[in-house]
Amino acid sequence: EVEMTQSPATLSVSPGERATLSCRASQSVSSDLAWYQQKPGQAPRLLIYGASTRATGIPDRFTGSGSGTDFTLTISSLQSEDFAVYYCQQYNNGLYSFGQGTKLEIK
Amino acid sequence: QARLVQSGAELKKPGASVTISCKASGYTFSSYYMHWVRQAPGQGLEWMGMINPNGGSTNYAQKFQGRVTMTRDSPTSTVMMVLSSLTSADTAVYYCTKENNWKGRRGFDPWGQGTLVTVSS
Repeated sequence: EVEMTQSPATLSVSPGERATLSCRASQSVSSDLAWYQQKPGQAPRLLIYGASTRATGIPDRFTGSGSGTDFTLTISSLQSEDFAVYYCQQYNNGLYSFGQGTKLEIK
Repeated sequence: QARLVQSGAELKKPGASVTISCKASGYTFSSYYMHWVRQAPGQGLEWMGMINPNGGSTNYAQKFQGRVTMTRDSPTSTVMMVLSSLTSADTAVYYCTKENNWKGRRGFDPWGQGTLVTVSS
């Protein structure tokens, strides 16, 4: 089973600044990596799939990058609605797993 | 527009089983895998397994092997998940979610509204 490790666990950033979230896989997952945003009391929302493709309706301030084992989600110019928990998720050989999440909070 | 609607909250005693349903609409049910993901209170997301509505084949996370069963009812575009031998550690919100596959690039969208399962004596 591929283990996903996200860092940091909590990230404090001021509105208008850039946030960089990391996700590392225990073995290569090629580009089979997705990012989700979850707000309290809501279901997760797909942001990025295929490591770098934005899902429908996702603003272009969200950018995914990376391949193999190291991935990054960058949110440029943070808006108030962006403060949430973010999860990465991988697919490998018919199995899926999530990282433990990064909480993005207002500084 | 794809939509997933789950059954309501459940309260179960330890050792019991729970069945959660997820009704799909707005897309061709048989064309997309359906997954189940759970989230314990204050914790992260945990993938439980998936079902291919076209044929009913399944793939479960090793942690849940022998305790989870996923089925589908194609005429009603509904998938069901049964989790047995419940303990307090199974208290969580359970989500169904549709896998989209864009030429090999996968993502879960949309998600059901979630079903809270509480296991308590």
